[in-house]
Amino acid sequence: EIVLTQSPATLSLSPGERATLSCRASQSVSSFLAWYQQKPGQAPRLLIYDASNRATGIPARFSGSGSGTDFTLTISSLEPEDFAVYYCQQRSNWYTFGQGTKLEIK
Amino acid sequence: EVQLVESGGGLVKPGGSLRLSCAASGIGFSNVWMSWVRQGPGKGLEWVARIKRNADGGTTDYAAPVKGRFTISRDDSKNMLYLEMISLKTEDTAIYFCTTGRLNNWFDPWGQGTLVTVSS
Repeated sequence: EIVLTQSPATLSLSPGERATLSCRASQSVSSFLAWYQQKPGQAPRLLIYDASNRATGIPARFSGSGSGTDFTLTISSLEPEDFAVYYCQQRSNWYTFGQGTKLEIK
Repeated sequence: EVQLVESGGGLVKPGGSLRLSCAASGIGFSNVWMSWVRQGPGKGLEWVARIKRNADGGTTDYAAPVKGRFTISRDDSKNMLYLEMISLKTEDTAIYFCTTGRLNNWFDPWGQGTLVTVSS
């Protein structure tokens, strides 16, 4: 099983700041990595797929990068609605998710 | 607009059974792979099961913790996805989401989820 490790577990930032979230795979997943956002009481929402492609309707402030084992989700300038939990997920070998990064307001 | 609506969750005793349903609309249901993903209380996301479209053989696959106990199925004539769960364990307690793989086999969109609680 491919294990995805996200860091940090919690990220405390203020609106307007830049957020950088990391996801590391236990073995190469090529570019088969996605990012999801989940707010309390809601279902996850796909943000980024194939490592760097924004899903439909996702604002341009969200961007993804990386390949192989190291990936990054960047939010260029945080909006109040961006504070949530973010998960990475791979589909190179079945499907596994990272444990999540909670992005909280500082 | 794609809509996925799950139902069938509830409280069940260990060893019991439950059948979850997912009604899909606004999507070419027969043309997409479908999955169930669960989220334990205060926990992360875990893929549970997948069913391919019939054109790809309708193959089913399961995560190791549920293999042999859960069965995923679909009825394309009704745009419905199902998850039959038997021999339920306390660790199966979770919100169960249905989701499609319509975008390059990524999970998008998701239903609102249905809560399954396994407790005596």
